Amino acid sequence: DTGVSQNPRHKITKRGQNVTFRCDPISEHNRLYWYRQTLGQGPEFLTYFQNEAQLEKSRLLSDRFSAERPKGSFSTLEIQRTEQGDSAMYLCASSKAGTRMETQYFGPGTRLLVL
Amino acid sequence: AQSVTQPDIHITVSEGASLELRCNYSYGATPYLFWYVQSPGQGLQLLLKYFSGDTLVQGIKGFEAEFKRSQSSFNLRKPSVHWSDAAEYFCAVANQAGTALIFGKGTTLSVSS
Repeated sequence: DTGVSQNPRHKITKRGQNVTFRCDPISEHNRLYWYRQTLGQGPEFLTYFQNEAQLEKSRLLSDRFSAERPKGSFSTLEIQRTEQGDSAMYLCASSKAGTRMETQYFGPGTRLLVL
Repeated sequence: AQSVTQPDIHITVSEGASLELRCNYSYGATPYLFWYVQSPGQGLQLLLKYFSGDTLVQGIKGFEAEFKRSQSSFNLRKPSVHWSDAAEYFCAVANQAGTALIFGKGTTLSVSS
């Protein structure tokens, strides 16, 4: 068990550019979550996958955001036409589906700065 | 809708002193409650969780939390704080579907020597 990994750890981009982040969950975990954390705030839920199916999306996930988990393993989060308001820490978490709420294990995050 | 309130933005405690971080939640049914800790540059690490049963929950690093339904609270405690406990602490409640966590804004803990 190597934990949840995220790449890159830091990303600086100019407004209007597209960025893509990757998350590799814990190997036997079939649920994967994306959260966004802005300065001074707690993480906010963006979206959730069970295997390759995206089952829930927050209203925070605007049309410029898209997430995929093509083979039910790693996931990518893409932001198109970035805006300064997208600057935040993007956190990925994974869990193993069961009959009740499972513990979500978080990765170190990708910190995005949009100039 | 579910929500979590952490009334204290920043707390400073002397090393060796006791600690209590407050958390209040809003949820209609029996909640699933969590405390996470985040150190600078690190992800969130689970300290403890409450699903049901004994209302006093033990976690890692000597932390414990008590679920009080009558007060809608889930306060985190530690009897003796170490300098390495300085970090940001988040309380969270699971949403009704059990698919997402709703976090409070966090409490920053500073430890003075």
